[in-house]
Amino acid sequence: DIQMTQSPSTLSASVGDRVTITCRASQSISSWLAWYQQKPGKAPKVLIYKASNLESGVPSRFSGSGSGTEFTLTISSLQPDDFATYYCQQYDSFPYTFGQGSNLEIK
Amino acid sequence: QVQLVQSGAEVKKPGASVKLSCKASGYTFTSYHIHWVRQAPGQGLEWMAMINPSGVSGKYAQKFQGRVTMTSDTSTTTVYMELSSLRSEDTAVYYCTRDHDNSNCNGYWGQGTLVTVSS
Repeated sequence: DIQMTQSPSTLSASVGDRVTITCRASQSISSWLAWYQQKPGKAPKVLIYKASNLESGVPSRFSGSGSGTEFTLTISSLQPDDFATYYCQQYDSFPYTFGQGSNLEIK
Repeated sequence: QVQLVQSGAEVKKPGASVKLSCKASGYTFTSYHIHWVRQAPGQGLEWMAMINPSGVSGKYAQKFQGRVTMTSDTSTTTVYMELSSLRSEDTAVYYCTRDHDNSNCNGYWGQGTLVTVSS
């Protein structure tokens, strides 16, 4: 199985900050990577698919980059609604696997 | 609009089975795969399995092989996932999800079903 490792696991930041979350795959997954946002008690929501494609309706302050084994999710200017947990997921091969999550907290 | 509506919460004893449903609407049912993803309390997301709703094929994470059975009813546009030999570690919220419109990631999610396994 492909292992996905996210860093950091927890991140404290302030409104207006620029934030980057990294996701590393244990082997190349080309660009088959998605990023999800999850808020407490809710289902996850896709933000980015195929590494860098912004999901319709997602604010442009979110962006994704990378290919192969290293990927990043960047939020250019944090808004109050962005404090949540973020997961990466590879869907290059079965079983699909998720990173362990990055919890973005208010500083 | 695409909707995935899941069945209600379940409480089961260890060793029992649970069968969850996921009713899809708003799109051509057989055109997109349905996946199951679970989340134990306070934990991360875990992909379990995927079914082609036409019933032709499925994929399973190895840890669930032999314990998960997925079926599809095209007449009611409903997918079912049965998990057998339940243990306390299976206590989780189970989500059904659908392929994204433009990719094979999990683009649409049901509201989740809490399964509690307790003696």
